[in-house]
Amino acid sequence: QAVLTQPASLSASPGASASLTCTLHSGINVGSYRIYWYQQKPGSPPQYLLRYKSDSDKQQGSGVPSRFSGSKDASANAGILLISGLQSEDEADYYCMIWHSSAVVFGGGTKLTVL
Amino acid sequence: EVQLVESGGGLVQPGGSLRLSCAASGFTFSSYEMNWVRQAPGKGLEWVSYISSTGSTIYYADSVKGRFTSSRDNAKNSLYLQMNSLRAEDTAVYYCARGDVATYWGQGTLVTVSS
Repeated sequence: QAVLTQPASLSASPGASASLTCTLHSGINVGSYRIYWYQQKPGSPPQYLLRYKSDSDKQQGSGVPSRFSGSKDASANAGILLISGLQSEDEADYYCMIWHSSAVVFGGGTKLTVL
Repeated sequence: EVQLVESGGGLVQPGGSLRLSCAASGFTFSSYEMNWVRQAPGKGLEWVSYISSTGSTIYYADSVKGRFTSSRDNAKNSLYLQMNSLRAEDTAVYYCARGDVATYWGQGTLVTVSS
């Protein structure tokens, strides 16, 4: 089982909301981790979106719209990236990341299609 | 403006070596931890290495441990990745990224390992 698991793809309509999940390995507790999110568009490097651990420990990336927000689902042991008011420009790959055991771990990424 | 410019990529035969560089500008390089992250063609992000601001602490992914060496020269605002014993599976775009959580990324340099 991978440390971080993301669904390979997700589709949503313009104006709707999209919830991207990042499920942690069952042996580690999402409550203990800061989860970081990145957006990558074709041909471009990833861009940092935000960090979320709790409502008192979160950070928005510089210039990142408030439409992007983070949360957690403790029952699912997962971090969540919520994108509200979807726009066509939000179509991209999204990656979650954590620091675990002196290593950076990325999820496999979710391809978000806005149609 | 924060700028990270990678260089040194290219075509190399299996078993060969290559040294990547990352030139930093627009910020106080010596104050920041740095990471190397790679992305194989059509694949997701894979963390390679972390180096502390002074270079005293370095971590590597298991996939490159013993073959790759990270270093930095704060006087030259530069980060390096020495890659030895290269394998076909090391083929990827290599990014340098600022900070322990990669808040800024360079455009990347392509490394192709092939005979």
